Amino acid sequence: KQEVTQIPAALSVPEGENLVLNCSFTDSAIYNLQWFRQDPGKGLTSLLLIQSSQREQTSGRLNASLDKSSGRSTLYIAASQPGDSATYLCAVGSYNFNKFYFGSGTKLNVKP
Amino acid sequence: EAEVAQSPRYKITEKSQAVAFWCDPISGHATLYWYRQILGQGPELLVQFQDESVVDDSQLPKDRFSAERLKGVDSTLKIQPAELGDSAMYLCASSLSRDEAFFGQGTRLTVV
Repeated sequence: KQEVTQIPAALSVPEGENLVLNCSFTDSAIYNLQWFRQDPGKGLTSLLLIQSSQREQTSGRLNASLDKSSGRSTLYIAASQPGDSATYLCAVGSYNFNKFYFGSGTKLNVKP
Repeated sequence: EAEVAQSPRYKITEKSQAVAFWCDPISGHATLYWYRQILGQGPELLVQFQDESVVDDSQLPKDRFSAERLKGVDSTLKIQPAELGDSAMYLCASSLSRDEAFFGQGTRLTVV
């Protein structure tokens, strides 16, 4: 079974800092990987999807990279803002019907 | 903008009662997922549909949980009887086959 780990579990940074969130997975035979944002008590908002053949994806201040061989993905957030405060989850999609396996998330707090 | 609709948003039920959640996926999305998220953890897949067929229900507690997607469109997840340990966020997601997953706002269930 695919195991997904996110480190750190929580992160607090001052506004304006660039930061990196980490996601690691045990089985490198993945179909895709998706990063989500979750605000307290809400559903998940898709941020970026990386297909297994891709190395990175960018959207605004967000950049996600994928290294299948080492079982790692990173989410880079540039010039962080208080509005970025949320929990960030990574989900690994399997070849078998694209079943998603989630990590426990990184809770980010950006201080004004 | 198309979105996944879930109802109700919140549900409080007594132990041993029956409860049901409804999900309407984005139009045209063949894959529908039901996830359960315990506070502080990542979502865990309960059941996955491809059109009206179940492709994965290995983590669904079948003695008390049931799910259906009769016409391959909207879906219902039922719990009977509810137990205290079922208190969690229940999330529905949909995707085109093997593509980006989109989540609804979830149903927060509290069993008392």
